[in-house]
Amino acid sequence: EDQVTQSPEALRLQEGESSSLNCSYTVSGLRGLFWYRQDPGKGPEFLFTLYSAGEEKEKERLKATLTKKESFLHITAPKPEDSATYLCAVQADLDSGAGSYQLTFGKGTKLSVIP
Amino acid sequence: EPEVTQTPSHQVTQMGQEVILRCVPISNHLYFYWYRQILGQKVEFLVSFYNNEISEKSEIFDDQFSVERPDGSNFTLKIRSTKLEDSAMYFCASSDGRGEVKEKLFFGSGTQLSVL
Repeated sequence: EDQVTQSPEALRLQEGESSSLNCSYTVSGLRGLFWYRQDPGKGPEFLFTLYSAGEEKEKERLKATLTKKESFLHITAPKPEDSATYLCAVQADLDSGAGSYQLTFGKGTKLSVIP
Repeated sequence: EPEVTQTPSHQVTQMGQEVILRCVPISNHLYFYWYRQILGQKVEFLVSFYNNEISEKSEIFDDQFSVERPDGSNFTLKIRSTKLEDSAMYFCASSDGRGEVKEKLFFGSGTQLSVL
């Protein structure tokens, strides 16, 4: 069974205080690892997809990295508007070799950035 | 920017009643999904839909659930006889299935279903 564990559950940072969120995963064959941002009362908003170990993606103050067992979302000099829940999800290969359609999500890390 | 639209935003129903949750995916997208999130829990996959048929479904998506794309623009989730444990936020999502990031899902803002 595919599993995704995110840590910490919650993180409070001062504005400008850089940190990292962790996503560890267990999947039979990784097709892709996804990071989403979720604001209260809203649906998840796509941030990044990573496909292979060693891959990195950047967007503004966010940088996502991937190893064979985990992914990190690095937040550099965060601002209050970065406050949200950050979700990690994996997409697995099916036994047939085709990609599964479903994403398996972690519970998320709730980030609060204090001015 | 195009977006996925869901109606209603809140739905309250009595246990045993049928509900239909409605979604308008992004117009040129080919793949459609329903996910749900019980309060404080993970976002969970329910079903994916492509080419007018279900392509994959989870164990949650039992005989009480059905999906339909009745008119080429709407995508609906029907729960035939609601249970208390069906109370959750239901998210519709769509993707275009093309290009470098085939699995980039666009989510709607959700329908909060409360079963009393």
